[in-house]
Amino acid sequence: AQSVTQLDSQVPVFEEAPVELRCNYSSSVSVYLFWYVQYPNQGLQLLLKYLSGSTLVKGINGFEAEFNKSQTSFHLRKPSVHISDTAEYFCAVSEDNYGQNFVFGPGTRLSVLP
Amino acid sequence: SQTIHQWPATLVQPVGSPLSLECTVEGTSNPNLYWYRQAAGRGLQLLFYSVGIGQISSEVPQNLSASRPQDRQFILSSKKLLLSDSGFYLCAWSNGRGEAFFGQGTRLTVV
Repeated sequence: AQSVTQLDSQVPVFEEAPVELRCNYSSSVSVYLFWYVQYPNQGLQLLLKYLSGSTLVKGINGFEAEFNKSQTSFHLRKPSVHISDTAEYFCAVSEDNYGQNFVFGPGTRLSVLP
Repeated sequence: SQTIHQWPATLVQPVGSPLSLECTVEGTSNPNLYWYRQAAGRGLQLLFYSVGIGQISSEVPQNLSASRPQDRQFILSSKKLLLSDSGFYLCAWSNGRGEAFFGQGTRLTVV
């Protein structure tokens, strides 16, 4: 069975600084990888996804992530954050079996400070 | 385009009362449907998923149940709510290609 680890529960950064949110997964088969963002009292919005092809994936709001199969990682990055990026970020994995199940990491709360 | 509707957005219920949260999907057929719970300060816990009408898989033993009476309708229920049932409940559907789409969530407070 797959699992997802997000080592940082909280990441405070100053506005316009770069940020990296870490995600590691474990699975015995090929996987699809996702990053979702959740603003307070809202559902989850897809930021980006890796299904196949290029390991560098670009998403919305200037975020990107790189799939590293050897390190089983899918870290999320943004070169310059804004106050509006303050939210909870979830990494998720779905095994390559028509997506019958998703496993989410515990989430990382990104706080962008002025 | 596909959309997912989840209601109500917020709900305050007394302990011991019943619960019914509804989720419907438009613009797709035979979706995989999911119910997740997000407790305060914690990640997402998968409660139920369904790959078809009447087919429900439960991930954790609990006070809740789910039903799928129609292809694009997924209902989360409880006969008697507990305080520990409080949380943020999210419905989601997937397109079979590994991507999930979420509703706006229901904030349930059991008092």
